[in-house]
Amino acid sequence: AQSVTQPDIHITVSEGASLELRCNYSYGATPYLFWYVQSPGQGLQLLLKYFSGDTLVQGIKGFEAEFKRSQSSFNLRKPSVHWSDAAEYFCAVGAIGGYQKVTFGIGTKLQVIP
Amino acid sequence: DTGVSQNPRHKITKRGQNVTFRCDPISEHNRLYWYRQTLGQGPEFLTYFQNEAQLEKSRLLSDRFSAERPKGSFSTLEIQRTEQGDSAMYLCASSLGGGQVNEQYFGPGTRLTVT
Repeated sequence: AQSVTQPDIHITVSEGASLELRCNYSYGATPYLFWYVQSPGQGLQLLLKYFSGDTLVQGIKGFEAEFKRSQSSFNLRKPSVHWSDAAEYFCAVGAIGGYQKVTFGIGTKLQVIP
Repeated sequence: DTGVSQNPRHKITKRGQNVTFRCDPISEHNRLYWYRQTLGQGPEFLTYFQNEAQLEKSRLLSDRFSAERPKGSFSTLEIQRTEQGDSAMYLCASSLGGGQVNEQYFGPGTRLTVT
């Protein structure tokens, strides 16, 4: 069965500082990986996705993520955080092919301090 | 706006009442998903439709829950005899089918509170 671990429930960073959110996945084959962001009271917005090719993927809002198969990780990064990045971030894994049922992690809540 | 829409956005109901939520997917998307998200958790898969056919249901979907997508367009999720444990955000997503990788687009969700 596929699963996702986000070890950090809550992270606080200063505005302008760099950010890295950790994600480890478990999946028996080549995974399809995502990062979504959720602002309070809102639905989920896709930041970026990976299923093949270059292991460093660029997303929206200046985010990037790196797929490391040897570590079963897909960490999200941003070089300089803005106050508007405060939100909850979800890593997810899905199957390639089929109907692509997606399994989410429990999320990391990001707080940005001035 | 041609994104996924959900109605109502908020629903407060008393325990034991029935509730129904609606999801309108992106018009050309033939796949539709329902998820449930409780406080402090990520979304959990409930069920999936391809066109009008319901092809998978999670163990989370008890017999009090029923979902339909009668014409392969909008979908409804009904909860009968609601319980306090049903309080959650119910999210709908849609995607195109047929390819290897089809990202899911999420609606804003319906927040259910059972008192």
